[in-house]
Amino acid sequence: TQLLEQSPQFLSIQEGENLTVYCNSSSVFSSLQWYRQEPGEGPVLLVTVVTGGEVKKLKRLTFQFGDARKDSSLHITAAQPGDTGLYLCKYSGGSNYKLTFGKGTLLTVNP
Amino acid sequence: DAGVIQSPRHEVTEMGQEVTLRCKPISGHNSLFWYRQTMMRGLELLIYFNNNVPIDDSGMPEDRFSAKMPNASFSTLKIQPSEPRDSAVYFCASRDRAGGSAFFGQGTRLTVV
Repeated sequence: TQLLEQSPQFLSIQEGENLTVYCNSSSVFSSLQWYRQEPGEGPVLLVTVVTGGEVKKLKRLTFQFGDARKDSSLHITAAQPGDTGLYLCKYSGGSNYKLTFGKGTLLTVNP
Repeated sequence: DAGVIQSPRHEVTEMGQEVTLRCKPISGHNSLFWYRQTMMRGLELLIYFNNNVPIDDSGMPEDRFSAKMPNASFSTLKIQPSEPRDSAVYFCASRDRAGGSAFFGQGTRLTVV
């Protein structure tokens, strides 16, 4: 079983600060996805990374896939209260393409 | 498209009662997943259907849990009898192809008292 470790588990910051959250595994990912889950809602896909070393940007969010495809990071610049939520990473792989999530980083951005 | 539709949004029931959660996946999606989310354990995959056939139910906690997908547009997750430790948010998600993106419903918050 490929386990995804996310860190930190909780993060509380002030509006305008920058932050980085991490997703790590001892195994190689075929692809990795980041989701954001807002309170009372289901997770929503933000991005998919496939190639080792890949960097994708989504406005103030920068996603990086490690060269060895074992880890990924999400960096948020100038965080806003609307960024508050649970950030989950997920890999999709294996013979039956199960979806496996990390436990997530709960981010709170205070005004 | 209305997205993945789950019902009810909230369910409060007494221990020992039967609970049925419902899901309507996005039309055209051939994979469906049931998840349970708690603070302690995060998102746990309970069961995965592909083309209405259960592929992997290894995440179903015990015999009290059962899931069906009688057709491509409907699935149920049943707990009988329910216990307080079953209290959680249950999500249904659907996907259009292997390796594609999963789309989640808004979840059913189950409280067993």
